[in-house]
Amino acid sequence: RKEVEQDPGPFNVPEGATVAFNCTYSNSASQSFFWYRQDCRKEPKLLMSVYSSGNEDGRFTAQLNRASQYISLLIRDSKLSDSATYLCVVAPRDSSYKLIFGSGTRLLVRP
Amino acid sequence: EADIYQTPRYLVIGTGKKITLECSQTMGHDKMYWYQQDPGMELHLIHYSYGVNSTEKGDLSSESTVSRIRTEHFPLTLESARPSHTSQYLCASSETLADGYTFGSGTRLTVV
Repeated sequence: RKEVEQDPGPFNVPEGATVAFNCTYSNSASQSFFWYRQDCRKEPKLLMSVYSSGNEDGRFTAQLNRASQYISLLIRDSKLSDSATYLCVVAPRDSSYKLIFGSGTRLLVRP
Repeated sequence: EADIYQTPRYLVIGTGKKITLECSQTMGHDKMYWYQQDPGMELHLIHYSYGVNSTEKGDLSSESTVSRIRTEHFPLTLESARPSHTSQYLCASSETLADGYTFGSGTRLTVV
């Protein structure tokens, strides 16, 4: 079982749609959580950190459920420019040197 | 504005050549990483460093080597390039894992 699991997609949605991605992690002691965005053939870029109370940044909302060990990302009013791969990332408490990356969920927003 | 720089962005080289991929960061981060990623595939950690004179192998076995003589510089070397080394190589740095990583723009290597 992978330490961080994501539905690979692709999610194919029309512009203006609301889309949600989920991610599960296996290490219950994990302490930091992130969503990264990666465009085709580009480097991953931090989209947002995920806090226990949930957090919002414009059209993007991230939530953390520690009891169920899952993280979600909600994108409202999808834009064509949102098309990318979204990586769920976790920092395990017992690993002090690296982040754990999910395989990514691909989003395609069509006109 | 990028604070972590990778050169070259693209490299096409013949089999058997020695190559060095450069990675430099201006943020004073102690932790630095090299990842390998094939198109459409997941990231694989191949090397990391806690700080000067510290280097460790990552999760994916790699024939490359790294060095960390200065905090800001973490070059990756392939002594004899092969077509199987064709991939994208991404460098990253971090102050604390709670802040996540900052990635460089990557080097796309093609060995012919």
